[in-house]
Amino acid sequence: DAKTTQPPSMDCAEGRAANLPCNHSTISGNEYVYWYRQIHSQGPQYIIHGLKNNETNEMASLIITEDRKSSTLILPHATLRDTAVYYCIVTSKTGANSKLTFGKGITLSVRP
Amino acid sequence: EAGVTQSPTHLIKTRGQQATLRCSPISGHTSVYWYQQALGLGLQFLLWYDEGEERNRGNFPPRFSGRQFPNYSSELNVNALELEDSALYLCASSLAQGLQGYEQYFGPGTRLTVT
Repeated sequence: DAKTTQPPSMDCAEGRAANLPCNHSTISGNEYVYWYRQIHSQGPQYIIHGLKNNETNEMASLIITEDRKSSTLILPHATLRDTAVYYCIVTSKTGANSKLTFGKGITLSVRP
Repeated sequence: EAGVTQSPTHLIKTRGQQATLRCSPISGHTSVYWYQQALGLGLQFLLWYDEGEERNRGNFPPRFSGRQFPNYSSELNVNALELEDSALYLCASSLAQGLQGYEQYFGPGTRLTVT
Protein backbone atom coordinates (compact mmCIF):
# COMPACT_ATOMS: atom_id res chain seq x y z
CA ASP A 1 0.00 0.00 0.00
CA ALA A 2 1.15 3.53 -0.70
CA LYS A 3 2.41 5.52 2.27
CA THR A 4 0.47 8.53 3.52
CA THR A 5 1.70 11.62 5.32
CA GLN A 6 -0.48 13.68 7.63
CA PRO A 7 0.38 16.54 9.97
CA PRO A 8 0.25 15.37 13.59
CA SER A 9 -2.48 17.72 14.75
CA MET A 10 -4.73 20.63 13.97
CA ASP A 11 -7.58 22.46 15.57
CA CYS A 12 -10.60 24.39 14.45
CA ALA A 13 -13.47 26.31 15.97
CA GLU A 14 -16.84 24.69 16.46
CA GLY A 15 -19.15 25.41 13.54
CA ARG A 16 -16.32 26.10 11.13
CA ALA A 17 -15.12 23.82 8.37
CA ALA A 18 -12.25 21.50 9.22
CA ASN A 19 -9.93 20.73 6.29
CA LEU A 20 -7.67 17.76 6.96
CA PRO A 21 -4.85 17.27 4.45
CA CYS A 22 -3.14 14.05 3.38
CA ASN A 23 -0.24 13.41 1.03
CA HIS A 24 0.02 10.13 -0.86
CA SER A 25 2.49 10.85 -3.64
CA THR A 26 3.23 7.16 -4.38
CA ILE A 27 -0.40 6.15 -4.88
CA SER A 28 -0.91 3.74 -7.75
CA GLY A 29 -3.72 3.66 -10.25
CA ASN A 30 -5.82 0.99 -8.54
CA GLU A 31 -5.52 2.38 -5.02
CA TYR A 32 -8.32 4.14 -3.21
CA VAL A 33 -8.09 6.85 -0.56
CA TYR A 34 -9.99 5.96 2.62
CA TRP A 35 -10.64 8.07 5.68
CA TYR A 36 -11.44 6.70 9.11
CA ARG A 37 -11.60 8.37 12.48
CA GLN A 38 -11.18 7.08 16.00
CA ILE A 39 -12.69 8.78 18.98
CA HIS A 40 -10.78 8.00 22.14
CA SER A 41 -10.74 4.26 22.95
CA GLN A 42 -13.52 3.43 20.50
CA GLY A 43 -13.29 1.39 17.30
CA PRO A 44 -12.40 3.34 14.15
CA GLN A 45 -15.33 4.71 12.19
CA TYR A 46 -15.45 4.67 8.39
CA ILE A 47 -15.99 8.16 6.96
CA ILE A 48 -15.57 8.17 3.19
CA HIS A 49 -13.45 6.86 0.34
CA GLY A 50 -12.69 7.77 -3.25
CA LEU A 51 -10.62 6.84 -6.28
CA LYS A 52 -10.20 10.01 -8.33
CA ASN A 53 -13.45 11.93 -8.23
CA ASN A 54 -14.52 14.11 -5.35
CA GLU A 55 -16.96 12.40 -3.04
CA THR A 56 -19.52 13.64 -0.55
CA ASN A 57 -21.69 11.88 1.99
CA GLU A 58 -23.60 12.85 5.10
CA MET A 59 -20.44 13.00 7.17
CA ALA A 60 -17.85 14.69 4.99
CA SER A 61 -16.46 15.58 1.59
CA LEU A 62 -13.31 14.16 0.05
CA ILE A 63 -11.37 16.26 -2.44
CA ILE A 64 -8.69 14.40 -4.41
CA THR A 65 -6.25 16.38 -6.55
CA GLU A 66 -6.14 15.68 -10.25
CA ASP A 67 -2.75 13.95 -10.00
CA ARG A 68 -4.09 11.96 -7.00
CA LYS A 69 -0.99 12.71 -4.97
CA SER A 70 -2.91 14.42 -2.19
CA SER A 71 -6.39 14.75 -0.78
CA THR A 72 -8.37 16.77 1.74
CA LEU A 73 -11.13 15.60 4.03
CA ILE A 74 -13.61 18.35 4.76
CA LEU A 75 -15.94 18.36 7.74
CA PRO A 76 -18.23 21.23 6.75
CA HIS A 77 -19.45 22.26 10.20
CA ALA A 78 -17.22 20.78 12.90
CA THR A 79 -18.75 19.99 16.28
CA LEU A 80 -17.11 19.06 19.57
CA ARG A 81 -18.00 15.42 18.85
CA ASP A 82 -15.73 15.52 15.80
CA THR A 83 -12.67 15.70 18.06
CA ALA A 84 -10.81 12.51 17.14
CA VAL A 85 -7.80 11.02 15.39
CA TYR A 86 -8.39 10.97 11.63
CA TYR A 87 -6.59 8.40 9.50
CA CYS A 88 -5.95 8.73 5.79
CA ILE A 89 -5.30 5.28 4.27
CA VAL A 90 -4.45 4.27 0.74
CA THR A 91 -5.23 0.71 -0.28
CA SER A 92 -6.40 -1.38 -3.18
CA LYS A 93 -9.76 -3.06 -2.85
CA THR A 94 -8.78 -6.58 -3.74
CA GLY A 95 -6.11 -9.20 -3.33
CA ALA A 96 -3.84 -9.79 -0.40
CA ASN A 97 -3.92 -6.09 0.32
CA SER A 98 -7.34 -6.46 1.93
CA LYS A 99 -6.15 -4.86 5.11
CA LEU A 100 -5.95 -1.32 6.36
CA THR A 101 -2.53 0.06 7.24
CA PHE A 102 -3.05 2.77 9.83
CA GLY A 103 -0.43 5.45 10.32
CA LYS A 104 -0.38 7.88 13.19
CA GLY A 105 -3.20 9.97 11.79
CA ILE A 106 -3.99 13.58 12.53
CA THR A 107 -5.50 14.61 15.84
CA LEU A 108 -8.29 17.09 15.27
CA SER A 109 -9.30 19.19 18.26
CA VAL A 110 -12.52 21.16 17.89
CA ARG A 111 -12.65 24.06 20.31
CA PRO A 112 -15.86 25.71 21.56
CA GLU B 1 -29.09 -2.79 11.74
CA ALA B 2 -26.73 -4.12 14.39
CA GLY B 3 -23.08 -3.25 14.05
CA VAL B 4 -20.04 -5.39 14.72
CA THR B 5 -20.14 -6.81 18.22
CA GLN B 6 -17.25 -8.07 20.29
CA SER B 7 -17.01 -9.94 23.56
CA PRO B 8 -15.89 -9.66 26.22
CA THR B 9 -15.47 -5.93 26.65
CA HIS B 10 -12.60 -6.40 29.06
CA LEU B 11 -10.43 -9.43 29.73
CA ILE B 12 -7.75 -9.83 32.36
CA LYS B 13 -5.33 -12.72 32.09
CA THR B 14 -2.07 -13.81 33.62
CA ARG B 15 1.13 -14.19 31.65
CA GLY B 16 1.32 -17.63 30.06
CA GLN B 17 -2.45 -18.14 29.91
CA GLN B 18 -4.61 -18.23 26.78
CA ALA B 19 -7.16 -15.60 25.75
CA THR B 20 -10.15 -16.06 23.46
CA LEU B 21 -11.85 -13.04 21.92
CA ARG B 22 -15.05 -13.20 19.91
CA CYS B 23 -16.52 -11.14 17.11
CA SER B 24 -19.86 -11.11 15.30
CA PRO B 25 -19.85 -9.29 11.96
CA ILE B 26 -22.57 -7.14 10.48
CA SER B 27 -25.28 -9.30 8.91
CA GLY B 28 -24.37 -10.06 5.31
CA HIS B 29 -20.65 -9.41 5.78
CA THR B 30 -18.45 -12.41 5.09
CA SER B 31 -15.01 -10.95 5.78
CA VAL B 32 -13.68 -10.45 9.29
CA TYR B 33 -10.48 -8.64 10.21
CA TRP B 34 -8.59 -8.45 13.48
CA TYR B 35 -6.38 -5.56 14.53
CA GLN B 36 -4.28 -4.88 17.61
CA GLN B 37 -3.93 -1.41 19.10
CA ALA B 38 -1.23 -1.40 21.73
CA LEU B 39 -0.32 1.76 23.58
CA GLY B 40 2.12 3.79 21.55
CA LEU B 41 2.12 1.40 18.57
CA GLY B 42 -1.02 2.34 16.72
CA LEU B 43 -3.42 0.03 14.94
CA GLN B 44 -1.75 -3.03 13.45
CA PHE B 45 -3.35 -5.59 11.17
CA LEU B 46 -3.45 -9.10 12.63
CA LEU B 47 -5.60 -11.44 10.56
CA TRP B 48 -8.18 -11.53 7.80
CA TYR B 49 -10.78 -14.28 7.39
CA ASP B 50 -13.13 -14.69 4.49
CA GLU B 51 -15.53 -17.57 3.86
CA GLY B 52 -13.99 -19.52 6.71
CA GLU B 53 -10.44 -19.30 5.43
CA GLU B 54 -7.47 -17.29 6.66
CA ARG B 55 -6.63 -14.99 3.74
CA ASN B 56 -3.91 -12.75 5.10
CA ARG B 57 -1.83 -12.40 8.22
CA GLY B 58 0.09 -9.51 9.72
CA ASN B 59 3.53 -9.64 11.26
CA PHE B 60 2.55 -11.48 14.43
CA PRO B 61 3.86 -14.76 15.90
CA PRO B 62 1.95 -18.04 15.42
CA ARG B 63 0.58 -17.91 18.97
CA PHE B 64 -1.91 -15.43 17.54
CA SER B 65 -4.46 -17.52 15.69
CA GLY B 66 -8.12 -17.58 14.98
CA ARG B 67 -10.92 -19.03 12.98
CA GLN B 68 -14.13 -18.09 11.27
CA PHE B 69 -17.27 -20.09 11.77
CA PRO B 70 -19.94 -20.98 9.17
CA ASN B 71 -22.10 -18.09 10.41
CA TYR B 72 -19.11 -15.77 9.70
CA SER B 73 -18.47 -14.96 13.33
CA SER B 74 -14.85 -15.20 14.37
CA GLU B 75 -12.64 -16.02 17.27
CA LEU B 76 -9.14 -14.74 18.00
CA ASN B 77 -6.95 -16.89 20.23
CA VAL B 78 -3.77 -15.69 21.84
CA ASN B 79 -1.68 -18.42 23.44
CA ALA B 80 1.16 -18.11 25.95
CA LEU B 81 0.21 -14.55 26.77
CA GLU B 82 2.96 -12.03 27.26
CA LEU B 83 2.78 -8.68 28.99
CA GLU B 84 3.24 -6.94 25.59
CA ASP B 85 -0.02 -8.50 24.39
CA SER B 86 -1.93 -6.03 26.53
CA ALA B 87 -3.87 -3.98 24.02
CA LEU B 88 -7.22 -3.11 22.53
CA TYR B 89 -8.19 -5.81 20.03
CA LEU B 90 -10.49 -4.60 17.31
CA CYS B 91 -12.58 -6.64 14.95
CA ALA B 92 -13.93 -5.29 11.67
CA SER B 93 -16.15 -6.75 8.99
CA SER B 94 -16.83 -6.02 5.35
CA LEU B 95 -18.71 -7.33 2.39
CA ALA B 96 -16.91 -9.93 0.30
CA GLN B 97 -13.75 -8.78 -1.36
CA GLY B 98 -14.21 -7.48 -4.85
CA LEU B 99 -17.70 -6.15 -4.32
CA GLN B 100 -18.65 -2.55 -3.86
CA GLY B 101 -18.75 -1.53 -0.24
CA TYR B 102 -15.37 -2.90 0.69
CA GLU B 103 -15.10 -0.47 3.59
CA GLN B 104 -14.49 -2.09 6.95
CA TYR B 105 -16.76 -1.46 9.90
CA PHE B 106 -15.23 -1.81 13.33
CA GLY B 107 -16.56 -3.10 16.60
CA PRO B 108 -15.94 -1.45 19.98
CA GLY B 109 -13.00 -3.71 20.81
CA THR B 110 -11.90 -6.00 23.61
CA ARG B 111 -9.44 -4.55 26.10
CA LEU B 112 -7.01 -7.34 27.04
CA THR B 113 -4.81 -6.81 30.06
CA VAL B 114 -2.04 -9.29 30.82
CA THR B 115 -0.59 -9.20 34.33
